[in-house]
Amino acid sequence: RKEVEQDPGPFNVPEGATVAFNCTYSNSASQSFFWYRQDCRKEPKLLMSVYSSGNEDGRFTAQLNRASQYISLLIRDSKLSDSATYLCVVNSPGNNRKLIWGLGTSLAVNP
Amino acid sequence: DAMVIQNPRYQVTQFGKPVTLSCSQTLNHNVMYWYQQKSSQAPKLLFHYYDKDFNNEADTPDNFQSRRPNTSFCFLDIRSPGLGDAAMYLCATSRGTGLDTEAFFGQGTRLTVV
Repeated sequence: RKEVEQDPGPFNVPEGATVAFNCTYSNSASQSFFWYRQDCRKEPKLLMSVYSSGNEDGRFTAQLNRASQYISLLIRDSKLSDSATYLCVVNSPGNNRKLIWGLGTSLAVNP
Repeated sequence: DAMVIQNPRYQVTQFGKPVTLSCSQTLNHNVMYWYQQKSSQAPKLLFHYYDKDFNNEADTPDNFQSRRPNTSFCFLDIRSPGLGDAAMYLCATSRGTGLDTEAFFGQGTRLTVV
């Protein structure tokens, strides 16, 4: 089993749709969780940190389910500009400095 | 203002000719990382520094070396680039303390080997 797994997609959705991505992680001792966004040929940028209680930032909501070892990202009212690859990132237990990256989920929002 | 700066943005080098990529940061972060990212793949960690403490990944080829002369600067040296080393090289920083390990990336250097 991979340490961090994501459905690579692509997800093709119309503008205004709601879309959700899940990510599973293998090590129950992981403590830090993030969603990064990466545009084509650009560097990853932090979208959201994921907290135990869940957190929301505008149209984006992140949830953590420790029992099932997955995190989710919900995007409401999708915009064309949301088209990107969304990378799930989890810290390595015992070495907080090391981050483990999923392969990313590709999202295309269509007019 | 850019906080993690990589130079150059694009680098073309000849097969086997040593090349150095540079990264600087204004965040005063303890940790600096070098990642390699190929098309449609996740960033792959090559190594990282915690202050002056160098941490190499087990699967990073010996062809890749790094130097961190001070807190602000970090260099990636590729001693003998092969065609398979063509990739985007990403530098990132983090505070590296506690659970606050958010990574801040530079814009990357796209390396082409000819």
